[in-house]
Amino acid sequence: TQLLEQSPQFLSIQEGENLTVYCNSSSVFSSLQWYRQEPGEGPVLLVTVVTGGEVKKLKRLTFQFGDARKDSSLHITAAQPGDTGLYLCAGANTGNQFYFGTGTSLTVIP
Amino acid sequence: DAGVIQSPRHEVTEMGQEVTLRCKPISGHNSLFWYRQTMMRGLELLIYFNNNVPIDDSGMPEDRFSAKMPNASFSTLKIQPSEPRDSAVYFCASSWTRGNTIYFGEGSWLTVV
Repeated sequence: TQLLEQSPQFLSIQEGENLTVYCNSSSVFSSLQWYRQEPGEGPVLLVTVVTGGEVKKLKRLTFQFGDARKDSSLHITAAQPGDTGLYLCAGANTGNQFYFGTGTSLTVIP
Repeated sequence: DAGVIQSPRHEVTEMGQEVTLRCKPISGHNSLFWYRQTMMRGLELLIYFNNNVPIDDSGMPEDRFSAKMPNASFSTLKIQPSEPRDSAVYFCASSWTRGNTIYFGEGSWLTVV
């Protein structure tokens, strides 16, 4: 069962533009992680957020966990071609079982 | 440190044949996961082992799928008999404990014709 819906599903933007990816659920999560997956590779962890309302920055990437711990967003500033990939959110329930989102495929055009 | 190692990277097999995918988790990790990824269904958890014991196999599609973890450094996922709808990328992943960072292998790309 997919508990996490990501939007948009596909995104194609020009280099230098900003973008936001959303991860939404009706369930409350004890923590939420964001992964990036490049073609032919497995997903790689970008960040873990634990506290409702928490904001974490990783260079040009800003991650936010919703106050109610049901949703999250990923904002990329001045996107670069190296940001191209599949972005996956994953929420952990109280039993520490992770559920992965539907994914957002990002293409940054030079 | 070596990451999660999977083999084979690519496999093409005929319908009805047995397929065995192999995984070596990161040394010291006590949680191991098998995932399947398709365009239609995304990344699905098939089975989760903790300390070599299967804890949650609710994601295993049907009896044709089986997974074993005979020791802390090796796991297999077997499909017998294989069907075209099993074509997907199968990822093995491991973590120190459930809920911590999950480290994925590079995946086994399976095509059943």
